[in-house]
Amino acid sequence: DADVTQTPRNRITKTGKRIMLECSQTKGHDRMYWYRQDPGLGLRLIYYSFDVKDINKGEISDGYSVSRQAQAKFSLSLESAIPNQTALYFCATSDPGTNYGYTFGSGTRLTVV
Amino acid sequence: AQKVTQAQTEISVVEKEDVTLDCVYETRDTTYYLFWYKQPPSGELVFLIRRNSFDEQNEISGRYSWNFQKSTSSFNFTITASQVVDSAVYFCALSEAAQAGTALIFGKGTTLSVSS
Repeated sequence: DADVTQTPRNRITKTGKRIMLECSQTKGHDRMYWYRQDPGLGLRLIYYSFDVKDINKGEISDGYSVSRQAQAKFSLSLESAIPNQTALYFCATSDPGTNYGYTFGSGTRLTVV
Repeated sequence: AQKVTQAQTEISVVEKEDVTLDCVYETRDTTYYLFWYKQPPSGELVFLIRRNSFDEQNEISGRYSWNFQKSTSSFNFTITASQVVDSAVYFCALSEAAQAGTALIFGKGTTLSVSS
């Protein structure tokens, strides 16, 4: 099993629908992140969480919400999807002790029509 | 504020050419980490290297090498004798240790196309 699992891998949804992207990890890391990737813009941070009780907004949090249900689970929700939220979404975890790096999920490709 | 700039949006080379991908960063921290990631057409992010701010030694790994220069705030990546399989988007990223574990800040990426 992958260290960081994102579901679904691909999703097409309609404008105005609520959608949840899920992320689970087996790394035992406290810190989790959601990024969005758009062509030519790189990866931009949406939200991050340092533990179950700690949620922080990133660079582009408008239109998104998150839930840290457990240390291993961090979900991203689009309350009312819009077409410009069409993007590739990545979940990641990190080790707070050594800052050695980040483990990324395989990504969720979301299309809002 | 922290920032990563990859000025080269796209680079095209022919197989066996050497190619250098530029990365310039901005940070107020004295302790920070720099990363390179590769994103092949399949879409996953592949970790290539992490370097901390106290280690300015250049690093070589096979055909890949990295040149870290604090004086110019640069962390450039060179691929020697490029191959078609090197075609990908390459991201440079920065993490500041003062906020250890804080999110990676990415550059916008450089798309490398290697033709045969």
